[in-house]
Amino acid sequence: EIVLTQSPATLSLSPGERATVSCRASQSVTNYLAWYQQKPGQAPRLLIYDASNRATGVPARFSGSGSGTDFTLTISSLEPEDFAVYYCQQRSNWPPKYSFGQGTKLEIK
Amino acid sequence: QVQLVQSGGGVVQPGRSLRVSCGASGFTFSSYGMHWVRQAPGKGLEWVASISYDGSDKYYGDSVKGRFTISRDNSKNTLYLQMNSLRAEDTAVYYCAKDRSSAAGIFDYYMDVWGKGTTVTVSS
Repeated sequence: EIVLTQSPATLSLSPGERATVSCRASQSVTNYLAWYQQKPGQAPRLLIYDASNRATGVPARFSGSGSGTDFTLTISSLEPEDFAVYYCQQRSNWPPKYSFGQGTKLEIK
Repeated sequence: QVQLVQSGGGVVQPGRSLRVSCGASGFTFSSYGMHWVRQAPGKGLEWVASISYDGSDKYYGDSVKGRFTISRDNSKNTLYLQMNSLRAEDTAVYYCAKDRSSAAGIFDYYMDVWGKGTTVTVSS
């Protein structure tokens, strides 16, 4: 079973600053990694898939990078609506089993 | 637009059963794998189960295997999760979600559209 570990657990920043969230996999997932955003009381929203591809409608300030076991989600300049919880996610090849990181809360400083 | 509308949550006693549903619209439901993901109060996301586009392949998380059953009715564009032998630790918001791509084999690696969630509370 592949375990995803995110860091930090909480990130306190101000609007306009750059945010960086890390996700480390316990074994290689090649580039099959996604990032989701979840706001309070809402369902998760797919932001990034295949480690670096933005999903439809996702602003360009969101970017993803990495491969193998180490991945990063970057928000270049924080907007007020970006303060939320972010999760990374992977799927094992076969049998298909999905797992999520424990989440990173991005809060306003 | 693509939409997943959930129903069927509620309060149930430990050991009892409950079925939650997820109605799909705005896309060709029968072409996509579908999933259930849950979130316990104040906790992170946990994958529960997945079903292939035609219902022939089903996979479950270890914590629900043998107790929960995922199914679908493509004629009704509806996904189901039958939950038996419920435990207090099954208390969560349950989300249905759609595969991002229908061209990625039986299951895609990602989920691109999510329902709003339905709350299941297991308590005596």
